[in-house]
Amino acid sequence: AQKITQTQPGMFVQEKEAVTLDCTYDTSDPSYGLFWYKQPSSGEMIFLIYQGSYDQQNATEGRYSLNFQKARKSANLVISASQLGDSAMYFCAMKGNAGNMLTFGGGTRLMVKP
Amino acid sequence: DADVTQTPRNRITKTGKRIMLECSQTKGHDRMYWYRQDPGLGLRLIYYSFDVKDINKGEISDGYSVSRQAQAKFSLSLESAIPNQTALYFCATSDLHAGGEQFFGPGTRLTVL
Repeated sequence: AQKITQTQPGMFVQEKEAVTLDCTYDTSDPSYGLFWYKQPSSGEMIFLIYQGSYDQQNATEGRYSLNFQKARKSANLVISASQLGDSAMYFCAMKGNAGNMLTFGGGTRLMVKP
Repeated sequence: DADVTQTPRNRITKTGKRIMLECSQTKGHDRMYWYRQDPGLGLRLIYYSFDVKDINKGEISDGYSVSRQAQAKFSLSLESAIPNQTALYFCATSDLHAGGEQFFGPGTRLTVL
């Protein structure tokens, strides 16, 4: 069974500063993928970044980077230069070997202060 | 035009009523999924389908049924709605051969009174 844990229910960050959102996972699959999604107040799920378990380098997408530490089973999302529009819920998710189904964490609500 | 669409976007119904939520996609993906999100929580998988002839139960399938009418259409039904099925429902699709990213519809907000 797969499990995703996000231990920060809510976080504040000052505009223009960097912030790290924590995600730890547990799986017995040798191959897996880790995802981060953003859910603004309007409700849609927006894909941010993906990390494969065999990828040698940490994934980056613009201001988003994924700090992947395989031995520690962590996949933290780093947002650089926070913007007011980054205020949202952020979900970490994992897919294992069996068909692309995603297991989601409970989410972290990020609030960016002006 | 949106790649994954859901209808209706909002629905209020009464206990015991049958409800169908519809999902259509133009991405050409084989795999489709239904999730439910409760307030303040992550998404949980209800049902998934790898192709038209393949339907599988997810984590929380009790009280729900699905129909994959075509590659592009995947419907979720609540045969007899109950108040604890009040939630935000998402449809998603993914490509068999890609990294596994799922593309989500805009969600359907369902309230059961």
